[in-house]
Amino acid sequence: GQQLNQSPQSMFIQEGEDVSMNCTSSSIFNTWLWYKQDPGEGPVLLIALYKAGELTSNGRLTAQFGITRKDSFLNISASIPSDVGIYFCAGFSPYSGAGSYQLTFGKGTKLSVIP
Amino acid sequence: GAGVSQSPSNKVTEKGKDVELRCDPISGHTALYWYRQSLGQGLEFLIYFQGNSAPDKSGLPSDRFSAERTGGSVSTLTIQRTQQEDSAVYLCASSLAPGSSYGYTFGSGTRLTVV
Repeated sequence: GQQLNQSPQSMFIQEGEDVSMNCTSSSIFNTWLWYKQDPGEGPVLLIALYKAGELTSNGRLTAQFGITRKDSFLNISASIPSDVGIYFCAGFSPYSGAGSYQLTFGKGTKLSVIP
Repeated sequence: GAGVSQSPSNKVTEKGKDVELRCDPISGHTALYWYRQSLGQGLEFLIYFQGNSAPDKSGLPSDRFSAERTGGSVSTLTIQRTQQEDSAVYLCASSLAPGSSYGYTFGSGTRLTVV
């Protein structure tokens, strides 16, 4: 099946610092999504990207859909303690099966913020 | 309901016993998905339901796993003769339509521990 390589696996940063994480794939994706998962909860959608080159912001979050359609990044500016959690990239691939309904997930980036 | 509801939130079972996990999707969402999240891993697709169509079971890891969706709403994931490697968080998600551009809405998951 399709695979997404997400990096870094974990990050320890000081409060107020900016954060950057990314996902890459060997094959193209039609849609890129970024989710955040808090402990004991399911992932919550942060940002959705629908076309190559698209740059989208949501508050302190900024994400981009790579021009090759094989990568995406997520930036968090001026991190705060509540940014702690696991961030997942996910995507819909035209090769995921009928209707391309199957989301493929990266393995996540665990973010820890030091006050 | 307002969100995707899963029960139980935690389940500890003895190896070899059967377990049933329940998912109540958002009202009106026709697509329902089950994913499995093992420690430190991304989300692994298990099964997908869309309306009255035959489900896509391509992600089920073995024939001990089965799922059904009654009346196009509530879904039950059953694991027979549980093994220790089945220990994971089982996440259910729903969406308005398959491959929804808005991604999926996840429940909080059922944490299954097989002892």
